Amino acid sequence: AQKVTQAQTEISVVEKEDVTLDCVYETRDTTYYLFWYKQPPSGELVFLIRRNSFDEQNEISGRYSWNFQKSTSSFNFTITASQVVDSAVYFCALSEGEYGNKLVFGAGTILRVKS
Amino acid sequence: DTAVSQTPKYLVTQMGNDKSIKCEQNLGHDTMYWYKQDSKKFLKIMFSYNNKELIINETVPNRFSPKSPDKAHLNLHINSLELGDSAVYFCASSQGGTSGRAAQYFGPGTRLTVT
Repeated sequence: AQKVTQAQTEISVVEKEDVTLDCVYETRDTTYYLFWYKQPPSGELVFLIRRNSFDEQNEISGRYSWNFQKSTSSFNFTITASQVVDSAVYFCALSEGEYGNKLVFGAGTILRVKS
Repeated sequence: DTAVSQTPKYLVTQMGNDKSIKCEQNLGHDTMYWYKQDSKKFLKIMFSYNNKELIINETVPNRFSPKSPDKAHLNLHINSLELGDSAVYFCASSQGGTSGRAAQYFGPGTRLTVT
């Protein structure tokens, strides 16, 4: 069965610090997809990135970067030089294969960035 | 230009009442979803429709009935509301049928409070 674990319930950092949010997943499929979503205090869910199981290249988008390691079943998210606007709940999610379009979410990590 | 919209944003009602939440997407996607976010922020899928056909029903009580009049709309009707139904309900959409690879885009959520 699918499972996503975000062991960090809450992280507090001071502005300009780098922060890494951990995500560990479990799946029996060889084809699967991993996602990160951001939920700011306003409540909406914002799609950040999708990764498929065949592409282990790390990705960088501005201050955001993602590290995907199949060997450890992890898909970690790093924010460089954090800003107050990064304060949000971040969710990691997994969907399986070509016939499984439900997202299974982790419990989320609350990130608080203080000025 | 709202991509996925939901109405109402807030819904306060009494136990035993029947209520509906409406969702519309203008992204041209073929698949729509309902997710429930509980008070601990945990997100779980409820239903998924592809081209107006129900493809996922995640052991949701039959008091919940989704209806998809067309590909752009997915409504959620709840009968005999209970206190435990209080949550935020998110609608989402994606393109790519039942494939797990498609990123899902979420609406702003509807906060349902049952008193």
